Amino acid sequence: EAQVTQNPRYLITVTGKKLTVTCSQNMNHEYMSWYRQDPGLGLRQIYYSMNVEVTDKGDVPEGYKVSRKEKRNFPLILESPSPNQTSLYFCASSAQGGSGNTIYFGEGSWLTVV
Amino acid sequence: AQSVTQLDSQVPVFEEAPVELRCNYSSSVSVYLFWYVQYPNQGLQLLLKYLSGSTLVKGINGFEAEFNKSQTSFHLRKPSVHISDTAEYFCAVRGYSSASKIIFGSGTRLSIRP
Repeated sequence: EAQVTQNPRYLITVTGKKLTVTCSQNMNHEYMSWYRQDPGLGLRQIYYSMNVEVTDKGDVPEGYKVSRKEKRNFPLILESPSPNQTSLYFCASSAQGGSGNTIYFGEGSWLTVV
Repeated sequence: AQSVTQLDSQVPVFEEAPVELRCNYSSSVSVYLFWYVQYPNQGLQLLLKYLSGSTLVKGINGFEAEFNKSQTSFHLRKPSVHISDTAEYFCAVRGYSSASKIIFGSGTRLSIRP
């Protein structure tokens, strides 16, 4: 079954404590991306990756890092989380862009920074 | 660059009534168009997409959308809604380039009244 898996699904953490949200897909997709969803703002892209070792900033990259060492994994790293990073985060993947390929989403990770 | 505008943040309708969720986009290049649905506490899943050809696209759960190039619109419709259609709906665009990312609108919350 095609899947994008994120962990953890729910997390409460404190300001400044580094955390990583993992994302893994089993579809051999080249393209992976992280979004955050906030009320009234829709989905805003944080970072995306066109393939292994190729990453680029999205619309709201400040305070986040990513890496793409393997095709299937695309972890999101918050080096020093702050309360304004409290949000619902989605990882997504698709076959290479440019051909209308569907983007598949994970179930989401609720992150609260206190 | 592309942008997507969903004109209504919330749409309340009665069960079995028809509904239209509006989406307008702006782009200097040709784009693919998508509608995604997010049920409560879930990730996003694809409802339908327009790649080329017929401007009327049929999706899952009885939804359809019509691409109107002159009006740069891609409105979503359903002739008769059910309680189970209660969800948030996102319109999205993606350019033809292999390097293009997907741009989401801010979402429309559809609430169905019995």
